[in-house]
Amino acid sequence: NAGVTQTPKFRILKIGQSMTLQCAQDMNHNYMYWYRQDPGMGLKLIYYSVGAGITDKGEVPNGYNVSRSTTEDFPLRLELAAPSQTSVYFCASRDSQVTYEQYFGPGTRLTVT
Amino acid sequence: QKEVEQNSGPLSVPEGAIASLNCTYSDRGSQSFFWYRQYSGKSPELIMSIYSNGDKEDGRFTAQLNKASQYVSLLIRDSQPSDSATYLCAVAGDLNDYKLSFGAGTTVTVRA
Repeated sequence: NAGVTQTPKFRILKIGQSMTLQCAQDMNHNYMYWYRQDPGMGLKLIYYSVGAGITDKGEVPNGYNVSRSTTEDFPLRLELAAPSQTSVYFCASRDSQVTYEQYFGPGTRLTVT
Repeated sequence: QKEVEQNSGPLSVPEGAIASLNCTYSDRGSQSFFWYRQYSGKSPELIMSIYSNGDKEDGRFTAQLNKASQYVSLLIRDSQPSDSATYLCAVAGDLNDYKLSFGAGTTVTVRA
């Protein structure tokens, strides 16, 4: 199993550009999450999903959108990128029936200039 | 939103010593508590979970929970240079609570 994969690893965006951060998991987990982590800070939840077709806002959803058309994929869309969105983005998944443990992807480092 | 506070770092300990990390949380209804380790430039990984008051030991790691005081701690015994990382405390409700609330983390450096 590849676990949780994220692409790209690094990206530089100009202000106002848009992009999609990809996240996929092959563990058949129902729950998936998007976090951002700013330097010296903990993880802030952006959006989460409890299954295909079901998404909900987390703590810091403004400027982002998500969709969950399949169990495996949970892309995060940035519209009109702003410098405040410079961060490291982590996707995670969890087997809702078994454990709390969230499995994290390797992260995407995004810079908006 | 649950608030989770961790003791500010960085924490520097000599090799072989005990590193002590503390975490307090605001929601008295919290049921589940976790410690994640994050190496620089890497993603977090779960190292300990605790659900009941008292101590839980796993190798050189001991998690301690006191729900009455809303306090959870992590002790790292016989600290090794490989323990140098940031440790994140995370809190949740019961298994139907979809979300974890994370603290800002405490960075530990183990001096050889």
